Amino acid sequence: DAGITQSPRHKVTETGTPVTLRCHQTENHRYMYWYRQDPGHGLRLIHYSYGVKDTDKGEVSDGYSVSRSKTEDFLLTLESATSSQTSVYFCAITQGTKMNPMNTEAFFGQGTRLTVV
Amino acid sequence: AQSVSQHNHHVILSEAASLELGCNYSYGGTVNLFWYVQYPGQHLQLLLKYFSGDPLVKGIKGFEAEFIKSKFSFNLRKPSVQWSDTAEYFCAVNAPSQGAQKLVFGQGTRLTINP
Repeated sequence: DAGITQSPRHKVTETGTPVTLRCHQTENHRYMYWYRQDPGHGLRLIHYSYGVKDTDKGEVSDGYSVSRSKTEDFLLTLESATSSQTSVYFCAITQGTKMNPMNTEAFFGQGTRLTVV
Repeated sequence: AQSVSQHNHHVILSEAASLELGCNYSYGGTVNLFWYVQYPGQHLQLLLKYFSGDPLVKGIKGFEAEFIKSKFSFNLRKPSVQWSDTAEYFCAVNAPSQGAQKLVFGQGTRLTINP
């Protein structure tokens, strides 16, 4: 398995509180992604990063922010958690090239199950 | 809007039956295509991928997929399924012309194999 660690693995939090999820990789891969997985929706991209301090929005970015201060760490923050953000969150990494970063396999972390009550 | 569609949400088969899961996408131009599998309680793992060349791609565990460009399809097949194939299967597409960094997933197909 690729060296991807997500923390925490499970979290229950109250509506309105801030939450930060961490993704740590030991593969020195350039690209990192945050997805959420919900029944009937598959995986939807929240944010992604193509390098240190370089991030961009995915299709469901509202209510989320990210930061990448080091190659190995990609943080996802819910500034004020809502019940609609209850989900399983997956981090993924790819190596790729600048012109075709997805021309390679994406490796996924084990996931973080977040419940907002 | 660009999308990836998996036609079957839940498929139930008996062991030794043949399997075909459909996947269609709506992107034009060059695409990179993937099938991922998620076993219960686990993370996604790559089954197979297509970037170019032979449109019939063989993956792990006896799975294969065929890229039919004219039909915008990348269907997953296995001639004889096993109980251990019970899992959720996701088709994913990367279209570099639409945003090189984005991997878009279908809704997933839950496969249940009865012994």
